[in-house]
Amino acid sequence: QSALTQPRSVSGSPGQSVTISCTGTSSDVGGYNYVSWYQQHPGKAPKLMIYDVSKRPSGVPDRFSGSKSGNTASLTISGLQAEDEADYYCCSYAGSPWVFGGGTKLTVL
Amino acid sequence: QITLKESGPTLVKPTQTLTLTCTFSGFSLSTSGVGVGWIRQPPGKALEWLALIYWDDDKRYSPSLKSRLTITKDTSKNQVVLTMTNMDPVDTATYYCAQGSSSLDYWGQGTLVTVSS
Repeated sequence: QSALTQPRSVSGSPGQSVTISCTGTSSDVGGYNYVSWYQQHPGKAPKLMIYDVSKRPSGVPDRFSGSKSGNTASLTISGLQAEDEADYYCCSYAGSPWVFGGGTKLTVL
Repeated sequence: QITLKESGPTLVKPTQTLTLTCTFSGFSLSTSGVGVGWIRQPPGKALEWLALIYWDDDKRYSPSLKSRLTITKDTSKNQVVLTMTNMDPVDTATYYCAQGSSSLDYWGQGTLVTVSS
């Protein structure tokens, strides 16, 4: 199972919106509605931000949203804030195992 | 409040077997739909999913590591154990356990395991 493809880095200014893509195949992202997104600050454990493509856990700001089209899932962060600067990972169910993306570093300019 | 904590050796020698324990609270691994998984992250690199065990003892493994991994649970002790055989320096990573099923909802703080002679 190959890792999902994410851009290595994205950036945006405070208040702007950014979108992080996560491209897989019909065997993972395209085949199941089990895409999740995780935020990881340096030296910290990952935190669940989006699950089942577009659902937000309690406590996650509604500035974070998820979607999927075909084999590509996306995480959009609107109204960027300084504390959003972190690494973001997508993850998809893939039939038996799960597979992560390579991670995207978000820089808030 | 759901918490998970990983424990085990911080240093193992090449070819040795690694045994990690995830001790959790705030949920039961006998509840339908619940799973506990292991994920690792080499220094400066991406997350890698390793294994997951469900409430009904269904076990799932990363295809690339399946021959080296064993995941078990002790429901009475609220623990999940991961063993990885034939450790190599490339297995140096922070190892996390996490609770969930279709997603990993709660994570432990992680434990850094270094493989070196």
